[in-house]
Amino acid sequence: DSGVTQTPKHLITATGQRVTLRCSPRSGDLSVYWYQQSLDQGLQFLIQYYNGEERAKGNILERFSAQQFPDLHSELNLSSLELGDSALYFCASSVSTSYGYTFGSGTRLTVV
Amino acid sequence: KNQVEQSPQSLIILEGKNCTLQCNYTVSPFSNLRWYKQDTGRGPVSLTIMTFSENTKSNGRYTATLDADTKQSSLHITASQLSDSASYICVVSVKGGSYIPTFGRGTSLIVHP
Repeated sequence: DSGVTQTPKHLITATGQRVTLRCSPRSGDLSVYWYQQSLDQGLQFLIQYYNGEERAKGNILERFSAQQFPDLHSELNLSSLELGDSALYFCASSVSTSYGYTFGSGTRLTVV
Repeated sequence: KNQVEQSPQSLIILEGKNCTLQCNYTVSPFSNLRWYKQDTGRGPVSLTIMTFSENTKSNGRYTATLDADTKQSSLHITASQLSDSASYICVVSVKGGSYIPTFGRGTSLIVHP
C-alpha cells in the first residue's frame, strides 16, 4: 500500500456520461498530481494541485476538471466522455514539488 | 520542447543476467531525474531520484547514473529476477514554479526463466 488511495478501482460508463475519480494523498503530502495512461502509452501529466490551489496544467482537455479540497483529497471530473478517454488514471502525491511522487494504484476507466 | 526518450522500447533477458536501460532528455532547465518501475496495471513505484550534482544512485540491484552534460541517464539492473519484469519509466523535471515533469514512454522489460 503506497498510502495514496484512489477510488473507484474500475469504472465502466457510456459515451457522453460524466464521472468523478477520487484521490486521497499520503498523510502529510500537500501536492496532488493527476495522470492519464492510455493503452500502451506513456503517462500524460494532466494537472497538479498544491494545498488546494491549482499549480500546473498539462495536457488536460476542457471536458476534464479537477479540484483539491481543504482536507487535501482531490477529485478529477471527466465529462462528455468519449471512447478515447478509456485509460488508467493515476493520482500521485508528494510533500513538495522537488521530491519524488508516490502513485496510487489507479482507476481504470472504460467508456463503452 | 522538453522531451524524454528511452531505449530500447522493449527488452527480453534471461533470469540472472544484467541489463542497462537508457534515457536521453532535452529538458531544460534541469531539476531532477527519476526512474520508476511500473508493473502492468499498477501505479509506478519510485526507484531512484537524482539531482544535477549526483552521478550515481543505487537502490538494491538497481543503479542509476546521470550525466548532466550529455543529458543522459541509465538504469542498470544486476542479476535480474522474474519480478523485474515491468515497464521502467524515466521522468525529468524542470526548474521553475511548478516543476512540471516530462515522462518517457518507458522500456518494457521481460525476464524469462
